[in-house]
Amino acid sequence: QVQLQESGPGLVKPSETLSLTCTVSGGSVSSSSYYWSWIRQPPGKGLEWIGYIYYSGSTNYNPSLKSRVTISVDTSKNQFSLKLSSVTAADTAVYSCARGDNYYFYMDVWGKGATVTVSS
Amino acid sequence: QSVLTQPPSASGTPGQRVTISCSGSSSNIGSNTANWYQQLPGTAPKLLIYSNNQRPSGVPDRFSGSKSGTSASLAISGLQSDDEADYYCAAWDDSLNGWVFGGGTKLTVL
Repeated sequence: QVQLQESGPGLVKPSETLSLTCTVSGGSVSSSSYYWSWIRQPPGKGLEWIGYIYYSGSTNYNPSLKSRVTISVDTSKNQFSLKLSSVTAADTAVYSCARGDNYYFYMDVWGKGATVTVSS
Repeated sequence: QSVLTQPPSASGTPGQRVTISCSGSSSNIGSNTANWYQQLPGTAPKLLIYSNNQRPSGVPDRFSGSKSGTSASLAISGLQSDDEADYYCAAWDDSLNGWVFGGGTKLTVL
Protein backbone atom coordinates (compact mmCIF):
# COMPACT_ATOMS: atom_id res chain seq x y z
CA GLN A 1 0.00 0.00 0.00
CA VAL A 2 1.52 3.28 -1.13
CA GLN A 3 1.77 6.01 1.48
CA LEU A 4 2.98 9.59 1.22
CA GLN A 5 4.22 11.72 4.11
CA GLU A 6 5.01 15.43 4.02
CA SER A 7 7.69 16.95 6.24
CA GLY A 8 9.19 20.37 6.74
CA PRO A 9 8.97 23.57 8.80
CA GLY A 10 5.51 24.65 9.90
CA LEU A 11 6.46 28.31 10.12
CA VAL A 12 8.19 30.38 7.46
CA LYS A 13 8.99 34.09 7.54
CA PRO A 14 7.71 36.43 4.82
CA SER A 15 10.07 36.75 1.82
CA GLU A 16 11.81 33.48 2.71
CA THR A 17 11.58 30.10 0.96
CA LEU A 18 9.13 27.39 1.95
CA SER A 19 10.63 23.90 1.69
CA LEU A 20 8.75 20.62 2.03
CA THR A 21 9.63 17.02 1.30
CA CYS A 22 7.33 14.13 0.49
CA THR A 23 8.54 10.64 1.36
CA VAL A 24 7.01 7.78 -0.58
CA SER A 25 6.68 4.34 1.00
CA GLY A 26 5.28 1.16 -0.48
CA GLY A 27 5.94 2.45 -4.00
CA SER A 28 8.61 4.13 -6.09
CA VAL A 29 9.01 7.67 -7.39
CA SER A 30 10.88 6.04 -10.29
CA SER A 31 7.64 4.60 -11.68
CA SER A 32 6.84 5.88 -15.17
CA SER A 33 3.09 5.61 -14.45
CA TYR A 34 2.78 8.63 -12.18
CA TYR A 35 3.20 12.35 -11.83
CA TRP A 36 4.24 13.25 -8.29
CA SER A 37 2.31 16.36 -7.36
CA TRP A 38 1.98 19.11 -4.80
CA ILE A 39 -1.39 20.68 -3.97
CA ARG A 40 -2.25 23.34 -1.42
CA GLN A 41 -5.37 24.46 0.41
CA PRO A 42 -5.47 27.88 2.13
CA PRO A 43 -7.55 28.04 5.30
CA GLY A 44 -11.25 27.81 4.50
CA LYS A 45 -10.60 27.69 0.76
CA GLY A 46 -10.44 25.15 -2.05
CA LEU A 47 -7.67 23.07 -3.55
CA GLU A 48 -4.97 24.46 -5.82
CA TRP A 49 -2.62 22.30 -7.88
CA ILE A 50 0.94 23.63 -7.56
CA GLY A 51 2.86 21.37 -9.91
CA TYR A 52 4.25 17.91 -10.56
CA ILE A 53 7.46 16.10 -11.32
CA TYR A 54 7.99 12.98 -13.42
CA TYR A 55 10.55 10.34 -12.50
CA SER A 56 12.78 11.63 -15.28
CA GLY A 57 12.94 15.00 -13.57
CA SER A 58 10.68 16.83 -15.99
CA THR A 59 8.30 19.23 -14.29
CA ASN A 60 5.24 21.32 -14.90
CA TYR A 61 3.95 24.12 -12.70
CA ASN A 62 0.75 26.09 -12.27
CA PRO A 63 1.34 29.36 -14.17
CA SER A 64 0.04 31.30 -11.16
CA LEU A 65 3.03 30.09 -9.11
CA LYS A 66 5.55 29.15 -11.79
CA SER A 67 7.99 32.00 -11.13
CA ARG A 68 8.40 30.96 -7.48
CA VAL A 69 8.12 27.14 -7.53
CA THR A 70 10.71 24.41 -7.88
CA ILE A 71 9.88 20.72 -7.54
CA SER A 72 12.69 18.18 -7.48
CA VAL A 73 13.02 14.41 -7.03
CA ASP A 74 15.56 12.27 -5.20
CA THR A 75 15.13 8.72 -6.44
CA SER A 76 17.80 7.39 -4.07
CA LYS A 77 15.72 8.50 -1.09
CA ASN A 78 12.35 7.87 -2.78
CA GLN A 79 11.37 11.47 -2.11
CA PHE A 80 10.28 14.54 -3.98
CA SER A 81 10.40 18.11 -2.73
CA LEU A 82 8.77 21.51 -3.08
CA LYS A 83 10.39 24.91 -2.80
CA LEU A 84 8.29 28.09 -2.93
CA SER A 85 10.27 31.30 -2.79
CA SER A 86 9.40 34.83 -1.67
CA VAL A 87 6.45 33.68 0.40
CA THR A 88 3.78 35.99 1.79
CA ALA A 89 0.86 35.48 4.14
CA ALA A 90 -1.19 34.44 1.11
CA ASP A 91 0.94 31.29 0.89
CA THR A 92 -0.28 30.10 4.30
CA ALA A 93 -1.97 26.78 3.58
CA VAL A 94 -2.04 23.04 4.07
CA TYR A 95 0.40 21.61 1.55
CA SER A 96 -0.20 18.05 0.38
CA CYS A 97 1.74 15.73 -1.85
CA ALA A 98 -0.10 13.26 -4.06
CA ARG A 99 0.43 10.55 -6.63
CA GLY A 100 -1.17 11.26 -9.98
CA ASP A 101 -1.86 8.60 -12.58
CA ASN A 102 -0.57 9.93 -15.91
CA TYR A 103 -2.81 7.80 -18.08
CA TYR A 104 -6.21 8.18 -16.46
CA PHE A 105 -5.28 11.53 -14.89
CA TYR A 106 -6.47 11.18 -11.33
CA MET A 107 -4.65 11.63 -8.04
CA ASP A 108 -5.34 8.55 -6.00
CA VAL A 109 -2.94 8.65 -3.05
CA TRP A 110 -2.52 11.73 -0.91
CA GLY A 111 -0.39 12.59 2.07
CA LYS A 112 -2.09 13.82 5.21
CA GLY A 113 -0.91 17.35 4.52
CA ALA A 114 1.46 19.75 6.25
CA THR A 115 0.28 23.07 7.64
CA VAL A 116 2.61 25.93 6.74
CA THR A 117 2.10 29.37 8.21
CA VAL A 118 3.86 32.41 6.82
CA SER A 119 4.42 34.90 9.61
CA SER A 120 7.18 36.96 11.12
CA GLN B 1 -11.62 31.84 -8.57
CA SER B 2 -11.54 28.13 -9.36
CA VAL B 3 -11.33 26.87 -12.94
CA LEU B 4 -14.20 24.40 -12.41
CA THR B 5 -17.49 25.73 -11.06
CA GLN B 6 -19.39 23.99 -8.26
CA PRO B 7 -22.25 25.18 -6.06
CA PRO B 8 -20.84 26.21 -2.67
CA SER B 9 -23.38 24.19 -0.72
CA ALA B 10 -25.84 21.34 -0.96
CA SER B 11 -28.06 19.61 1.56
CA GLY B 12 -30.38 16.70 2.03
CA THR B 13 -32.06 14.56 4.63
CA PRO B 14 -31.01 11.00 5.52
CA GLY B 15 -32.03 8.55 2.84
CA GLN B 16 -32.45 11.24 0.21
CA ARG B 17 -30.55 11.51 -3.09
CA VAL B 18 -28.47 14.60 -3.77
CA THR B 19 -26.49 15.69 -6.78
CA ILE B 20 -23.57 18.09 -7.07
CA SER B 21 -22.71 19.69 -10.38
CA CYS B 22 -19.34 20.70 -11.81
CA SER B 23 -18.98 22.92 -14.86
CA GLY B 24 -15.78 23.18 -16.85
CA SER B 25 -14.62 23.93 -20.38
CA SER B 26 -13.38 22.27 -23.53
CA SER B 27 -9.80 22.13 -22.24
CA ASN B 28 -10.62 20.17 -19.10
CA ILE B 29 -13.87 18.24 -18.60
CA GLY B 30 -14.73 18.63 -22.28
CA SER B 31 -11.67 16.66 -23.37
CA ASN B 32 -10.73 14.67 -20.28
CA THR B 33 -12.45 12.68 -17.57
CA ALA B 34 -13.78 14.08 -14.30
CA ASN B 35 -12.80 12.98 -10.83
CA TRP B 36 -14.45 13.59 -7.48
CA TYR B 37 -12.92 13.83 -4.02
CA GLN B 38 -14.50 13.71 -0.58
CA GLN B 39 -12.81 15.69 2.18
CA LEU B 40 -13.92 15.08 5.73
CA PRO B 41 -13.04 17.82 8.26
CA GLY B 42 -9.34 17.90 9.06
CA THR B 43 -8.42 15.12 6.64
CA ALA B 44 -6.83 14.79 3.22
CA PRO B 45 -9.06 14.49 0.15
CA LYS B 46 -10.10 10.94 -0.70
CA LEU B 47 -10.65 9.83 -4.29
CA LEU B 48 -14.35 9.02 -4.64
CA ILE B 49 -14.92 8.79 -8.40
CA TYR B 50 -12.41 8.65 -11.24
CA SER B 51 -12.78 8.49 -15.02
CA ASN B 52 -16.24 10.09 -14.76
CA ASN B 53 -18.01 7.14 -13.18
CA GLN B 54 -15.54 4.63 -11.73
CA ARG B 55 -15.38 3.93 -8.03
CA PRO B 56 -12.11 2.94 -6.33
CA SER B 57 -12.24 -0.19 -4.27
CA GLY B 58 -14.05 0.42 -1.00
CA VAL B 59 -16.23 3.31 -2.15
CA PRO B 60 -19.93 2.40 -1.70
CA ASP B 61 -22.12 2.20 -4.78
CA ARG B 62 -24.29 4.92 -3.25
CA PHE B 63 -21.79 7.26 -4.90
CA SER B 64 -22.00 7.63 -8.67
CA GLY B 65 -20.66 10.01 -11.28
CA SER B 66 -21.56 11.10 -14.76
CA LYS B 67 -20.33 13.48 -17.42
CA SER B 68 -21.96 15.27 -20.32
CA GLY B 69 -20.05 17.64 -22.53
CA THR B 70 -18.15 20.09 -20.35
CA SER B 71 -20.04 19.26 -17.14
CA ALA B 72 -19.93 16.48 -14.61
CA SER B 73 -22.14 15.43 -11.72
CA LEU B 74 -21.78 13.49 -8.52
CA ALA B 75 -24.82 11.74 -7.11
CA ILE B 76 -25.14 10.39 -3.59
CA SER B 77 -28.10 8.17 -2.88
CA GLY B 78 -29.31 6.91 0.49
CA LEU B 79 -27.73 9.93 2.17
CA GLN B 80 -26.10 9.23 5.52
CA SER B 81 -24.92 11.55 8.27
CA ASP B 82 -21.29 10.62 7.72
CA ASP B 83 -21.55 11.79 4.11
CA GLU B 84 -21.36 15.32 5.51
CA ALA B 85 -18.15 16.62 3.97
CA ASP B 86 -16.69 18.88 1.31
CA TYR B 87 -16.77 17.49 -2.23
CA TYR B 88 -14.40 18.61 -4.96
CA CYS B 89 -14.44 17.92 -8.67
CA ALA B 90 -11.19 17.83 -10.61
CA ALA B 91 -9.97 17.21 -14.13
CA TRP B 92 -6.82 17.31 -16.20
CA ASP B 93 -6.56 20.53 -18.19
CA ASP B 94 -4.86 20.33 -21.59
CA SER B 95 -4.04 24.05 -21.63
CA LEU B 96 -2.45 23.94 -18.19
CA ASN B 97 -1.00 20.46 -18.64
CA GLY B 98 -1.99 19.92 -15.03
CA TRP B 99 -4.96 19.44 -12.76
CA VAL B 100 -7.74 21.93 -12.09
CA PHE B 101 -10.24 21.80 -9.24
CA GLY B 102 -13.68 23.09 -8.44
CA GLY B 103 -14.14 25.39 -5.47
CA GLY B 104 -15.77 22.65 -3.44
CA THR B 105 -19.32 21.94 -2.30
CA LYS B 106 -20.12 21.65 1.39
CA LEU B 107 -22.71 18.91 1.85
CA THR B 108 -24.92 19.17 4.93
CA VAL B 109 -27.08 16.28 6.06
CA LEU B 110 -30.09 17.81 7.78
